[in-house]
Amino acid sequence: GENVEQHPSTLSVQEGDSAVIKCTYSDSASNYFPWYKQELGKRPQLIIDIRSNVGEKKDQRIAVTLNKTAKHFSLHITETQPEDSAVYFCAAGNNDMRFGAGTRLTVKP
Amino acid sequence: EAGVTQFPSHSVIEKGQTVTLRCDPISGHDNLYWYRRVMGKEIKFLLHFVKESKQDESGMPNNRFLAERTGGTYSTLKVQPAELEDSGVYFCASSQARGAKLFFGSGTQLSVL
Repeated sequence: GENVEQHPSTLSVQEGDSAVIKCTYSDSASNYFPWYKQELGKRPQLIIDIRSNVGEKKDQRIAVTLNKTAKHFSLHITETQPEDSAVYFCAAGNNDMRFGAGTRLTVKP
Repeated sequence: EAGVTQFPSHSVIEKGQTVTLRCDPISGHDNLYWYRRVMGKEIKFLLHFVKESKQDESGMPNNRFLAERTGGTYSTLKVQPAELEDSGVYFCASSQARGAKLFFGSGTQLSVL
């Protein structure tokens, strides 16, 4: 089955800096790679996703890149703000998703 | 549109007791998933329903866990008897189709003492 590794487990950045979270996956059949954000006390919510037929997708300050050959994908947040502070989860799969262990991002004002 | 709802939000029980968690998916979502997150670890897949049928239950830890989705609407996850290592946050999620966007519930924080 699919196995997803996520790094780093914690990340602290200064407001305005960029943040990058990386994930690797094991199953070459996986074709869908979503990212979820879980704010404190709230449910995980989808923030961006990418399918295997594209290498990069951007939505305002967040972007995701995918390297299918190397089986890794990354989340990039630019111009970070305190409200970006949360736990971020990557996931990979074909029909059913498997998740990484999460990255706790702290953006310091 | 109502989101995925889970009940209870918190449950504290003693080892050996029974607990039943409930999930109400978004109306019309045939796909329902149970996940568990132990502190600091991944959101681990437990099982997947398509309507009332168990599509994949490969993530269920052992036979102390029983999930049902009678009628293909809400689902329950029963742990009997609970052990200390069952503690964690149990998430339910639903989607319109397999491989589509997952909508999560707020989770049930289970503490087994």
